[in-house]
Amino acid sequence: KAGVTQTPRYLIKTRGQQVTLSCSPISGHRSVSWYQQTPGQGLQFLFEYFSETQRNKGNFPGRFSGRQFSNSRSEMNVSTLELGDSALYLCASSLDSVPYGYTFGSGTRLTVV
Amino acid sequence: GDSVTQMEGPVTLSEEAFLTINCTYTATGYPSLFWYVQYPGEGLQLLLKATKADDKGSNKGFEATYRKETTSFHLEKGSVQVSDSAVYFCALSTSGATNKLIFGTGTLLAVQP
Repeated sequence: KAGVTQTPRYLIKTRGQQVTLSCSPISGHRSVSWYQQTPGQGLQFLFEYFSETQRNKGNFPGRFSGRQFSNSRSEMNVSTLELGDSALYLCASSLDSVPYGYTFGSGTRLTVV
Repeated sequence: GDSVTQMEGPVTLSEEAFLTINCTYTATGYPSLFWYVQYPGEGLQLLLKATKADDKGSNKGFEATYRKETTSFHLEKGSVQVSDSAVYFCALSTSGATNKLIFGTGTLLAVQP
């Protein structure tokens, strides 16, 4: 059974650019969530999508956005990149509500220079 | 708001030593509780979970019991191995339609041979 696939694994961008990250959930999982992991702030929730609808959003500026497609694949976009956006971005999928728990991908390491 | 507090690391142990990583939480309602593990350069892996008071989650020799009276979910293992070296995250998820994991800051475990 394939796990959660995130692409690309590594990315280097310049300040001011925009970036799109992709996440393919486990087959059958309809809930996809995104998290940002940094040494200073730890793991922070970005947003969650279920059946193409954003169901919950964390406290991030509007430069961070996402979407989910009909096949449950999800993308997140960060516009006007800042140095502080450098982080590991993790995607997680689940059947629906916990307590099933989430399965995480290996993440995309974004470096903004 | 809801929060998770983990003991500060790093925790350094010799192989076959007993491990305890403390975790306490603050939450309204009845959260589900999780322990995730992150190996270097990888995403998060679900280690174990508990969905109601007095539930015991267990996996790979690790155990944690959901204690509502002390709002705790301490992780234990009777005999650690070098391969257990990783960062361990305690997390909770609130009930309801808004799936969102709230993580502790993580505890680095280093096991020496």
